[in-house]
Amino acid sequence: DTAVSQTPKYLVTQMGNDKSIKCEQNLGHDTMYWYKQDSKKFLKIMFSYNNKELIINETVPNRFSPKSPDKAHLNLHINSLELGDSAVYFCASSQSRGPLGQFFGPGTRLTVL
Amino acid sequence: DAKTTQPNSMESNEEEPVHLPCNHSTISGTDYIHWYRQLPSQGPEYVIHGLTSNVNNRMASLAIAEDRKSSTLILHRATLRDAAVYYCILRDVKSNAGKSTFGDGTTLTVKP
Repeated sequence: DTAVSQTPKYLVTQMGNDKSIKCEQNLGHDTMYWYKQDSKKFLKIMFSYNNKELIINETVPNRFSPKSPDKAHLNLHINSLELGDSAVYFCASSQSRGPLGQFFGPGTRLTVL
Repeated sequence: DAKTTQPNSMESNEEEPVHLPCNHSTISGTDYIHWYRQLPSQGPEYVIHGLTSNVNNRMASLAIAEDRKSSTLILHRATLRDAAVYYCILRDVKSNAGKSTFGDGTTLTVKP
């Protein structure tokens, strides 16, 4: 069973389009995250949700809007895509307030043409 | 956030032990030390974590300095499949944000 899954795995789209990436975890965790990894391989946190509430919102353009319908899902919607949005986006989950680490999904490679 | 520093890259020969160092001189009392690795074209994968005592699991060992300002991830016998970027990060156990800041990590090359 996949612990953290993301769809789609690859996403190729034109500048200006709107797209969504979905994430689901079946680990019973209460916290989920979105990370962006650019071409230089630096892994940067974007958002974190704890029990469906936004608790981390790093300096990310307003074009990025996360939505957490329940604890097991965290989706990322991106409006008006730009070339610089091309990256691999990773979803992760963890249990808050504890020593255990995060479990990451396989990533979604977004290419904006 | 407490920061960690790691060497940019290391090389090892196959079937030899590898010691990956990490400095975290500003670690707080509630920070756990976590190690992840990222294989090519995959998401980061949890390896091991610890607080004060050395830890062993099936993947690796973690040696933590007595003052907790540094730690070392030990791969006892490196294989080609261990070639990856290894990240050392700190996680505040009392924070419900669960935020972990990933640095540049150490790129491990394993030579046959």
